[in-house]
Amino acid sequence: GAVVSQHPSRVICKSGTSVKIECRSLDFQATTMFWYRQFPKQSLMLMATSNEGSKATYEQGVEKDKFLINHASLTLSTLTVTSAHPEDSSFYICSASGTGANEQFFGPGTRLTVL
Amino acid sequence: KNQVEQSPQSLIILEGKNCTLQCNYTVSPFSNLRWYKQDTGRGPVSLTIMTFSENTKSNGRYTATLDADTKQSSLHITASQLSDSASYICVVSAYGGNMLTFGGGTRLMVKP
Repeated sequence: GAVVSQHPSRVICKSGTSVKIECRSLDFQATTMFWYRQFPKQSLMLMATSNEGSKATYEQGVEKDKFLINHASLTLSTLTVTSAHPEDSSFYICSASGTGANEQFFGPGTRLTVL
Repeated sequence: KNQVEQSPQSLIILEGKNCTLQCNYTVSPFSNLRWYKQDTGRGPVSLTIMTFSENTKSNGRYTATLDADTKQSSLHITASQLSDSASYICVVSAYGGNMLTFGGGTRLMVKP
């Protein structure tokens, strides 16, 4: 099956710093990538959808200037949490979908802790 | 509004026992329904995917059913194992789109 990786798996940073999370599709071309956030004991919440070479579409309530998404190639999307604060601490999960596909393949997630 | 509701929210069973998780949805037009297993601190892993015409699909000890008329699905786990302890998420996709509607999940704990 299709494999999606994320890096890093865990990151701890100080408040006010920026953190970049990478999402890669390893064996297929991902025309669309999705970024989710998941708080403890809750389900995944979609943050934004990005198509390769286009600007990301953000869900209502998600600050696009705080959560910068870049989908520069068909195998890589990045999420940068700028000026991170403790309330940004969460589990961030990406997923990827190929051309014409109606299925998303999820990455293993990145645990962000902001001190 | 598209919605997916799962029950129960949490469940504790003894190792070796069977259990059934429920999912009701109001997603239209319906494309497919998936069950995912999510271990703590990991991303969701697909167990089954069913389209409108499929009533049952199995993956080892996991069997999913779908009733498109009543818009209900269930996930049956047979002979549970300790490693089955996880959250199980029901996800429904609308036809023609790539957006998913997630259920709140059922947290299953299997005890020895």
